[in-house]
Amino acid sequence: EAQVTQNPRYLITVTGKKLTVTCSQNMNHEYMSWYRQDPGLGLRQIYYSMNVEVTDKGDVPEGYKVSRKEKRNFPLILESPSPNQTSLYFCASLQWIGAYEQYFGPGTRLTVT
Amino acid sequence: EDQVTQSPEALRLQEGESSSLNCSYTVSGLRGLFWYRQDPGKGPEFLFTLYSAGEEKEKERLKATLTKKESFLHITAPKPEDSATYLCAVQAPGGKLIFGQGTELSVKP
Repeated sequence: EAQVTQNPRYLITVTGKKLTVTCSQNMNHEYMSWYRQDPGLGLRQIYYSMNVEVTDKGDVPEGYKVSRKEKRNFPLILESPSPNQTSLYFCASLQWIGAYEQYFGPGTRLTVT
Repeated sequence: EDQVTQSPEALRLQEGESSSLNCSYTVSGLRGLFWYRQDPGKGPEFLFTLYSAGEEKEKERLKATLTKKESFLHITAPKPEDSATYLCAVQAPGGKLIFGQGTELSVKP
């Protein structure tokens, strides 16, 4: 079954405590991406990666880091989380050569206190 | 600046009452325009990709069309299970994806 998995699904943490949200896809897609979704602001792209070892900033990259060491995994790292990073986060993978298909993960709800 | 605007923000329909959702965009060099459906608390679900003006795609009660400046998602004879937020996104050169804020559709029986 084609899927994107994210872990953890829910996380409550404190300001400044480094955390990592993992993302994995089983479809051999080249493109992977992270989004945050906030009420009234919609989905905003944080970082994207068009291939292994290639990452680019989206619209809201400040305070986040990513890495793409292998095709299937694309972790999101918050080195020093702050309350304004409280949000719902989605990872997605995309097949964009030939037919376009994008699959989203189930989401990670992060609360930073 | 690349931008996507969806209207209306919310739409309430009676079952069987057809309507359209709008997605207008400004992007230099459109690579593709995409429609998604999102249910509360879940990740968006891909519906359609449109690449060039004049293109149309259909799936069940949904039909998406594209012009040079906007796209429409037509919903024919909607049912309560069509209630969801519908998102539009464009891909700019370089790969960045830009989403609109969505239209929240509610279909009452």
